Amino acid sequence: GQNIDQPTEMTATEGAIVQINCTYQTSGFNGLFWYQQHAGEAPTFLSYNVLDGLEEKGRFSSFLSRSKGYSYLLLKELQMKDSASYLCAVMDSNYQLIWGAGTKLIIKP
Amino acid sequence: IAGITQAPTSQILAAGRRMTLRCTQDMRHNAMYWYRQDLGLGLRLIHYSNTAGTTGKGEVPDGYSVSRANTDDFPLTLASAVPSQTSVYFCASSDRTGGTDTQYFGPGTRLTVL
Repeated sequence: GQNIDQPTEMTATEGAIVQINCTYQTSGFNGLFWYQQHAGEAPTFLSYNVLDGLEEKGRFSSFLSRSKGYSYLLLKELQMKDSASYLCAVMDSNYQLIWGAGTKLIIKP
Repeated sequence: IAGITQAPTSQILAAGRRMTLRCTQDMRHNAMYWYRQDLGLGLRLIHYSNTAGTTGKGEVPDGYSVSRANTDDFPLTLASAVPSQTSVYFCASSDRTGGTDTQYFGPGTRLTVL
């Protein structure tokens, strides 16, 4: 079967760095996405990786290793507004997104 | 309209009733999707449409139907609602003509079936 694993919850301190991991087993691979979802709101697109390596976008970076079925989202200089759930999703061989259950990130002052 | 809109925002429905959730996008995206999101679970695909006039079944299609008469609209119908269909429903769209096929989401409909 297809499976996306990510931690259920993480806690970090304002101003610090946090890394959210995602491992996947899917039928085929056509890219990995990270989304941010604030409570009661819709998911919003953060990043996309299809090749191995690091993609940097401001305070957020996303890394992919296809051989290991692994990705992480790195958030730097954490702000209180970064408190949200972070969703990892993989596009499979049918070009459908398979979603993880999300990681709830709690930022403490 | 900017992006994707969904209606209603929330709804309480008696079991056995018929309900249509509306979704409209103005980005001229060819593909559209319906997901449900339940606590502790990832987003699950109900139905999708790669282009106007075509639809396909996702992971959890039972009890739901869709139509795609034009590019902009993608309504989701629950023919006879059951309590297990209580969930938050998100509509999304993407441009499948090239690029990353990134999906963009509407604000969601919170549905409670009693």
